[in-house]
Amino acid sequence: QKEVEQDPGPLSVPEGAIVSLNCTYSNSAFQYFMWYRQYSRKGPELLMYTYSSGNKEDGRFTAQVDKSSKYISLFIRDSQPSDSATYLCAIPGSSNTGKLIFGQGTTLQVKP
Amino acid sequence: SAVISQKPSRDICQRGTSLTIQCQVDSQVTMMFWYRQQPGQSLTLIATANQGSEATYESGFVIDKFPISRPNLTFSTLTVSNMSPEDSSIYLCSVVGERYGYTFGSGTRLTVV
Repeated sequence: QKEVEQDPGPLSVPEGAIVSLNCTYSNSAFQYFMWYRQYSRKGPELLMYTYSSGNKEDGRFTAQVDKSSKYISLFIRDSQPSDSATYLCAIPGSSNTGKLIFGQGTTLQVKP
Repeated sequence: SAVISQKPSRDICQRGTSLTIQCQVDSQVTMMFWYRQQPGQSLTLIATANQGSEATYESGFVIDKFPISRPNLTFSTLTVSNMSPEDSSIYLCSVVGERYGYTFGSGTRLTVV
């Protein structure tokens, strides 16, 4: 079993739709959870991070963590064509090593 | 966030040759990493670049194939040696620090023909 699993999509939605991106993880010791956005031909950029369970909101983006289910989600409200990118969930591995374990990435296309 | 300059941004190389990728950071960082992103795949950690000592490689990656240098706290190189088409990937430098979290360079897109 992979440590972090993510549905690769692709996902295509109309502009204005609510998008839900999800990952599951296997290690209950994981504490921090991140979402990266990667545009074509660019490196990943940190979009949001959360610690422990609960929700975190930043503009149109909401990150949600359910530690009991080992499930993390990223919601995008009022999606825009500029949101078209690959979204990767990432979890720091062993403490203090700085390594990130990535999900496979979900490719999102928002159509005007 | 830290500013990472990665060179070259892309290259097309002949099989059997080697390519050295450079990563320059605008501030001193303790932790520096090299990742590989194969076509349509996610990121996989190759190694941790340690300043002043040998890099720490992940399972499946070896020093002879991916030698890494880290002469100081702002610079590192990754060499992809004796390349084959299977090495065609995006190679990414990453740093982590308290002030700026986890930051990635824009990547080097390598095609081996």
